[in-house]
Amino acid sequence: AQTVTQSQPEMSVQEAETVTLSCTYDTSENNYYLFWYKQPPSRQMILVIRQEAYKQQNATENRFSVNFQKAAKSFSLKISDSQLGDTAMYFCAFMKHDGGNNRKLIWGLGTSLAVNP
Amino acid sequence: NAGVTQTPKFRILKIGQSMTLQCTQDMNHNYMYWYRQDPGMGLKLIYYSVGAGITDKGEVPNGYNVSRSTTEDFPLRLELAAPSQTSVYFCASSYRQGLYGYTFGSGTRLTVV
Repeated sequence: AQTVTQSQPEMSVQEAETVTLSCTYDTSENNYYLFWYKQPPSRQMILVIRQEAYKQQNATENRFSVNFQKAAKSFSLKISDSQLGDTAMYFCAFMKHDGGNNRKLIWGLGTSLAVNP
Repeated sequence: NAGVTQTPKFRILKIGQSMTLQCTQDMNHNYMYWYRQDPGMGLKLIYYSVGAGITDKGEVPNGYNVSRSTTEDFPLRLELAAPSQTSVYFCASSYRQGLYGYTFGSGTRLTVV
């Protein structure tokens, strides 16, 4: 079975510092997509960043970047210059084929990040 | 741009009651999804739709029904509510198969007592 593991249930970081959230996944596929979503206290899930497995270059979106290690099946999220508004639950997700043209998201259980002033 | 709109935001149901969670999107996305989120359990897919008139079961469909008569709307029906259906429900939509990510609604917190 394909799984997504986020080994850090809770993390904290001081404002303006850098933090890395880990994610590992298990798959036998070669082409797939990976995502990080943010869920702030407002509850709405927001896409932070995505990575296509066939691209070796790590994705970057402003202060958010990933370290994608395909062989190790690792997809960590780095948040630079942490801000109070980054306080949220962060979910890693893996998109796999689900037969024919269908694809399905497999979700990790999340990491709760607290940014402290 | 409204994105994905869910109503209501909160609801308390008594055991055995029924209700419909509404979801509408204005991005002309073909794919729509219903998830439930339980504490410590992540997101579980209930139903999804690849276009108007086409729906399919996800991981946890029991106790729920959906319909997709238009591209915009994807309501979720709970029949005979049970305490096990207490959860936060999210509707989402995506362009094609979601390779560029999903757009989520703000969720409905449902309590069954």
